[in-house]
Amino acid sequence: AQSVTQLDSHVSVSEGTPVLLRCNYSSSYSPSLFWYVQHPNKGLQLLLKYTSAATLVKGINGFEAEFKKSETSFHLTKPSAHMSDAAEYFCVVRAGGGNKLTFGTGTQLKVEL
Amino acid sequence: DTEVTQTPKHLVMGMTNKKSLKCEQHMGHRAMYWYKQKAKKPPELMFVYSYEKLSINESVPSRFSPECPNSSLLNLHLHALQPEDSALYLCASSYDRVTEKLFFGSGTQLSVL
Repeated sequence: AQSVTQLDSHVSVSEGTPVLLRCNYSSSYSPSLFWYVQHPNKGLQLLLKYTSAATLVKGINGFEAEFKKSETSFHLTKPSAHMSDAAEYFCVVRAGGGNKLTFGTGTQLKVEL
Repeated sequence: DTEVTQTPKHLVMGMTNKKSLKCEQHMGHRAMYWYKQKAKKPPELMFVYSYEKLSINESVPSRFSPECPNSSLLNLHLHALQPEDSALYLCASSYDRVTEKLFFGSGTQLSVL
């Protein structure tokens, strides 16, 4: 079975400093991996996706993630946090066909002045 | 138009009531999804429709009854719900079941008294 583990339930950074949200995956074959963001009282928005084309994936709003097979990781990064980045972030793996997505438990990102 | 619209935004119902949640998209997507999200938890897949036919039911209790009357509309009929069914219900769509980018609505916050 495919799964993802988000290593931090809460991350707090200062505005203008780098963001690192950690995700490890478990998969018996090359997975499709995603990061989604959920702002308060909003639906989820796709930030970026990895589907084996390139290991470094660039997404929206300055976020990127690197797929590292040797470490089974897909960490999300951003060079400089903005107040508007404060939200819940989910690492997601596509488990089988039919777009059946399995979500990690989420990381709450707090951005302080 | 890249929106998935869900109505109502909030719903309070008693355990004997019958109510319906509605989801609409006009992006020409042929796959639509219902997810359930409890507070501080990740979304969990409930149903997937593909070309207006139910393709995945994640063993959801029969008190939840999905319906896809046409390619733009997805309903979730609710009857005899329990307080533990209180959650945020999210609708999503994608071009088809293979395309991996899902567009989410902002959800219906349901409270069962």
